[in-house]
Amino acid sequence: DAGVIQSPRHEVTEMGQEVTLRCKPISGHNSLFWYRQTMMRGLELLIYFNNNVPIDDSGMPEDRFSAKMPNASFSTLKIQPSEPRDSAVYFCASSPGTGRGETQYFGPGTRLLVL
Amino acid sequence: GENVEQHPSTLSVQEGDSAVIKCTYSDSASNYFPWYKQELGKGPQLIIDIRSNVGEKKDQRIAVTLNKTAKHFSLHITETQPEDSAVYFCAASRELGSNYQLIWGAGTKLIIKP
Repeated sequence: DAGVIQSPRHEVTEMGQEVTLRCKPISGHNSLFWYRQTMMRGLELLIYFNNNVPIDDSGMPEDRFSAKMPNASFSTLKIQPSEPRDSAVYFCASSPGTGRGETQYFGPGTRLLVL
Repeated sequence: GENVEQHPSTLSVQEGDSAVIKCTYSDSASNYFPWYKQELGKGPQLIIDIRSNVGEKKDQRIAVTLNKTAKHFSLHITETQPEDSAVYFCAASRELGSNYQLIWGAGTKLIIKP
């Protein structure tokens, strides 16, 4: 298996632009997580899907952030408009079942820089 | 809400020696405690986990202990090797109704000196 696939791996954009991050979870996994990692705040859960349905989006910073999972093999995280403070590494992770108490398999991350 | 504190933030040990990283959590309802290793430029990877009905778990050179009364858990790596150099994260589960997430420690940078 190829593991969790994220694209792009690096993104540099200017403040105010729309950014879309993409994730393909491991085939057969039912749960998907989006995380943000920064030096200041560490690893933060943004949103968690189970069977393509958002279960917990309490970590989504504000309305500028939105996430979708149209099918079991694809998810997007969109930031519109982007701001310099959104600069971070964004990880997608998947797990086999409900996501509770299970191993989370992380992708390689997307390093986002907003100028 | 749940809070996870991790110490130390940096740990430097001689190759072959043991390393211990400690975490404390605040929510007595937490029941799942994983440890992840993150190498430079990669995503975190699970190395071992423990559930609240177990006090200790071992996998080759890695072991985790859990003290539910004191609300702390520790990662022990014996006979350290250069490839153990990485950032290690502890986490504790938090469930609130249908919401579920892992609350992560701040990480420990482990440096293995040759």
